[in-house]
Amino acid sequence: GAVVSQHPSWVICKSGTSVKIECRSLDFQATTMFWYRQFPKQSLMLMATSNEGSKATYEQGVEKDKFLINHASLTLSTLTVTSAHPEDSSFYICSAGGGPNTEAFFGQGTRLTVV
Amino acid sequence: AQKITQTQPGMFVQEKEAVTLDCTYDTSDPSYGLFWYKQPSSGEMIFLIYQGSYDQQNATEGRYSLNFQKARKSANLVISASQLGDSAMYFCAMREGPAGGTSYGKLTFGQGTILTVHP
Repeated sequence: GAVVSQHPSWVICKSGTSVKIECRSLDFQATTMFWYRQFPKQSLMLMATSNEGSKATYEQGVEKDKFLINHASLTLSTLTVTSAHPEDSSFYICSAGGGPNTEAFFGQGTRLTVV
Repeated sequence: AQKITQTQPGMFVQEKEAVTLDCTYDTSDPSYGLFWYKQPSSGEMIFLIYQGSYDQQNATEGRYSLNFQKARKSANLVISASQLGDSAMYFCAMREGPAGGTSYGKLTFGQGTILTVHP
């Protein structure tokens, strides 16, 4: 099946610094990718839709300037958490692909800890 | 309004027994898809089973089956012959709209159910 690779799988950063997370589709082209955020034992909440070659579409309540999304190629979307704070600590996961009768493919996820 | 509702925060089952995880959904779109994913403690999302809104038959994949009751807007997951490795969080999710739409692929998730399988 299709593979989506996410990197890094975990990261610890200092408060005030920025962190970049990559999401790659390895064997297919993805004009659209999705970024989700998940707190422990909670649901996945959609943060934004990443569109290749154009601006991302953010869900209500998600700060565009804090969570920068870039989708510069058909196989790569990046999420940058700018000026990270401890409350940004969470599990971030991307997805791509999925046609009629097929599932969306998820990356492995990134556990971000801001200290 | 919650589009996907999973009312069981936690479920316990004895190994080798069957268990049903509940999921109800709300949509006015005639074209939608329903998914179940398993999320172990590692965090990866493992696809289990899919049911399309126009599918006449209930979906089955090995030990997993989906009890799709369209009129009641429910899509319960049945796991037969539970195994210790089935212990994980389970999510019901919905994708709305026809293929090719700009947001196609976007999923709305339920709150999740933590399943614990006892030996």
